[in-house]
Amino acid sequence: DAGVTQSPTHLIKTRGQQVTLRCSPKSGHDTVSWYQQALGQGPQFIFQYYEEEERQRGNFPDRFSGHQFPNYSSELNVNALLLGDSALYLCASSLVVAGSDEQYFGPGTRLTVT
Amino acid sequence: AQSVTQLGSHVSVSEGALVLLRCNYSSSVPPYLFWYVQYPNQGLQLLLKYTSAATLVKGINGFEAEFKKSETSFHLTKPSAHMSDAAEYFCAVSASASKIIFGSGTRLSIRP
Repeated sequence: DAGVTQSPTHLIKTRGQQVTLRCSPKSGHDTVSWYQQALGQGPQFIFQYYEEEERQRGNFPDRFSGHQFPNYSSELNVNALLLGDSALYLCASSLVVAGSDEQYFGPGTRLTVT
Repeated sequence: AQSVTQLGSHVSVSEGALVLLRCNYSSSVPPYLFWYVQYPNQGLQLLLKYTSAATLVKGINGFEAEFKKSETSFHLTKPSAHMSDAAEYFCAVSASASKIIFGSGTRLSIRP
């Protein structure tokens, strides 16, 4: 049973560029959440997608956008990159079932903005 | 609103000693509570979760945590530390099947 996978593993971009990160959820899961983890900090919630719609959003600017596809995979897009966007981006998947709140995390994509 | 406070950004214990990582939470609704572990250059792995079924929760690798509503605490313990336990540990809270709010993390070091 494949867990959550993310691509690419590492990425280096220049300020002002745009980046797309990809996530495939754990088999059987229908919900994908994205988190940003800056160095030395805990993950911060960016947004969550369910049924191809953004279900909930954290305190991140509109430069951060996402998409969920019919097969439940997801993309995170960041426009006009800033140095402060350098972080580990984590994708987590879950199943929307009453009483179930467990999110499974992928290994992350390390984004470096120079 | 929900929040999590982890007391101590770095904890160091000797191999074989008790591990105690402290976490206090704030939640306006009955919370789901979690402990995650992160090894260097890896994602997060769920150690255990509290979902109101039992106040003492047992997790993987010998870890357990006790939910104390009166103290709004959810401390993580392990009776005997192993070298392989060295990692970053995150306490987290969630209100429902939605976003998870993480603490700032506690780095656990194990002395030989």
